[in-house]
Amino acid sequence: GAGVSQSPSNKVTEKGKDVELRCDPISGHTALYWYRQSLGQGLEFLIYFQGNSAPDKSGLPSDRFSAERTGGSVSTLTIQRTQQEDSAVYLCASTRWGHQETQYFGPGTRLLVL
Amino acid sequence: SQQGEEDPQALSIQEGENATMNCSYKTSINNLQWYRQNSGRGLVHLILIRSNEREKHSGRLRVTLDTSKKSSSLLITASRAADTASYFCATVSNDYKLSFGAGTTVTVRA
Repeated sequence: GAGVSQSPSNKVTEKGKDVELRCDPISGHTALYWYRQSLGQGLEFLIYFQGNSAPDKSGLPSDRFSAERTGGSVSTLTIQRTQQEDSAVYLCASTRWGHQETQYFGPGTRLLVL
Repeated sequence: SQQGEEDPQALSIQEGENATMNCSYKTSINNLQWYRQNSGRGLVHLILIRSNEREKHSGRLRVTLDTSKKSSSLLITASRAADTASYFCATVSNDYKLSFGAGTTVTVRA
């Protein structure tokens, strides 16, 4: 079946603008994760959804970052008033309930803030 | 904060040689996973080893886990050009959140 998809693949924006990043998890996967990867670095956990609720938002770097998930499926990560340090690849992953140990990753959105 | 740390940061080997990379972590874990990333995009899950396991094999991959030393190693045997990628270890604690290290970049020369 189809894997995790993310859109857009690439996004270039100006400092101060808002951006929305989208993640479509694998159908039937109830858990969804957002990560950020800065150039040459490992992944930084941002937020985790179980269904539509987010029991763990501990990784969101500031109040400019927010995420929501509707219908237990698509998730949107919003970054308000973007800053240059927000430039990174944003990766989404999903897992099945009861199989939360293996995460299936999307191709990521490469964000560049000028 | 990052839990796992990979060593070395970069590795260059000849096709056909074996590649070994190590991962150390700080806190107790439920399991440890290795992922591969090509061209800085999506990650591919390679192998998972649970805290009560010591060694696991999958094709040309061999993973070991030493919980007393809080370390793991990934061995890729008979490397191929297609193995060129970044390899990350990720630890899972009881909350099932993955904590990644900074990765090892492997280059396989033809």
